[in-house]
Amino acid sequence: SQELEQSPQSLIVQEGKNLTINCTSSKTLYGLYWYKQKYGEGLIFLMMLQKGGEEKSHEKITAKLDEKKQQSSLHITASQPSHAGIYLCGEWYNNNDMRFGAGTRLTVKP
Amino acid sequence: EPEVTQTPSHQVTQMGQEVILRCVPISNHLYFYWYRQILGQKVEFLVSFYNNEISEKSEIFDDQFSVERPDGSNFTLKIRSTKLEDSAMYFCASSRGIRTGELFFGEGSRLTVL
Repeated sequence: SQELEQSPQSLIVQEGKNLTINCTSSKTLYGLYWYKQKYGEGLIFLMMLQKGGEEKSHEKITAKLDEKKQQSSLHITASQPSHAGIYLCGEWYNNNDMRFGAGTRLTVKP
Repeated sequence: EPEVTQTPSHQVTQMGQEVILRCVPISNHLYFYWYRQILGQKVEFLVSFYNNEISEKSEIFDDQFSVERPDGSNFTLKIRSTKLEDSAMYFCASSRGIRTGELFFGEGSRLTVL
């Protein structure tokens, strides 16, 4: 079955440090979605990547899709406490369902 | 900015009782979804809904569950005869199109089954 593996499972960084979260699919990625979830809250859409080699940025968050490796990475530059939360990658599974990886829990220490 | 709204935010029920969770998707969206997240675990797909019928469902979505769009705005998830393991956060989501854009999520309804 199709799986999305995220690494690391959790990450603790000092404020101001850069970090990278990875998401790997068991099959070729045709589109990859990044979401952020704060504890006990809903998922907030961050970015969508659809083309191999595509890279998008929003404020200090950059996401890339490497289609050949069936992988996407999310990079945060100069992390802040507001970046703390759970980052989830998702992709369309069948005709009309999006499924998610287990998430990476990010803690940013001030 | 339009948003998906869910009610109730938290419901406590006794095992064996029926529960209905309600969602108001974004008004011009055509596709609707329910997801479940057991505490500390991943967000799991339950069901998607389009044109008044289920378009996809996961292995979790068994006969205990049903969905309905009773009017032009609400989208409901009914859980018959709740079990302890149904305790989770349930998220509703909606989207404009199929496989073409992001899902917009509500804040979730926390269900506690005692």
